[in-house]
Amino acid sequence: DAGITQSPRHKVTETGTPVTLRCHQTENHRYMYWYRQDPGHGLRLIHYSYGVKDTDKGEVSDGYSVSRSKTEDFLLTLESATSSQTSVYFCAISDGRDRWDPLDGYTFGSGTRLTVV
Amino acid sequence: AQTVTQSQPEMSVQEAETVTLSCTYDTSESDYYLFWYKQPPSRQMILVIRQEAYKQQNATENRFSVNFQKAAKSFSLKISDSQLGDAAMYFCAYSGIWYNFGNEKLTFGTGTRLTIIP
Repeated sequence: DAGITQSPRHKVTETGTPVTLRCHQTENHRYMYWYRQDPGHGLRLIHYSYGVKDTDKGEVSDGYSVSRSKTEDFLLTLESATSSQTSVYFCAISDGRDRWDPLDGYTFGSGTRLTVV
Repeated sequence: AQTVTQSQPEMSVQEAETVTLSCTYDTSESDYYLFWYKQPPSRQMILVIRQEAYKQQNATENRFSVNFQKAAKSFSLKISDSQLGDAAMYFCAYSGIWYNFGNEKLTFGTGTRLTIIP
């Protein structure tokens, strides 16, 4: 499996401030994803990317933006953090290098616990 | 849009016994994939088992097996000989077939927290 690193691991921020979470992968896989995990909701897709500068919205994209200027980095930005964005954020990559096939599997990062106070 | 429903927020089982976790889903597609993921307290997401919808045979991985009922849109996970290390949150997930644009993602259920009683 490709290496995937999320940073930071934990963050506490104040309401109204911008926050950027980083996902870094080491093997040039094409598809990358940002999910948030909340009790009672499971994991919900925020945004995903299918290539450099190619992104699409997920089911809970309001208040979030993403950027992918390099294959290995996928950034998630909370433009103005709110308490409702307190959550655990997971990055994932599809393990297929060039094309997407769910049978290739997914690798998930360790998650970022974000608290907005 | 596809939806995945896990109606059991919590389950518990005696060590060495068998437990079944339920999952139902809704889709208009005929080809798709279904998955069970395990999330222990470490937050790591671990693939337990997967099922291709076009395969009638239920998938099995050691002590883990599924009961896939396509017509009923049901995908339950059976854990046999439960062990303490099986304690975790379990998520059911759905993925559409790869050749439909927009399917390149996983849709998760809300999860079932499994406790193993020694």
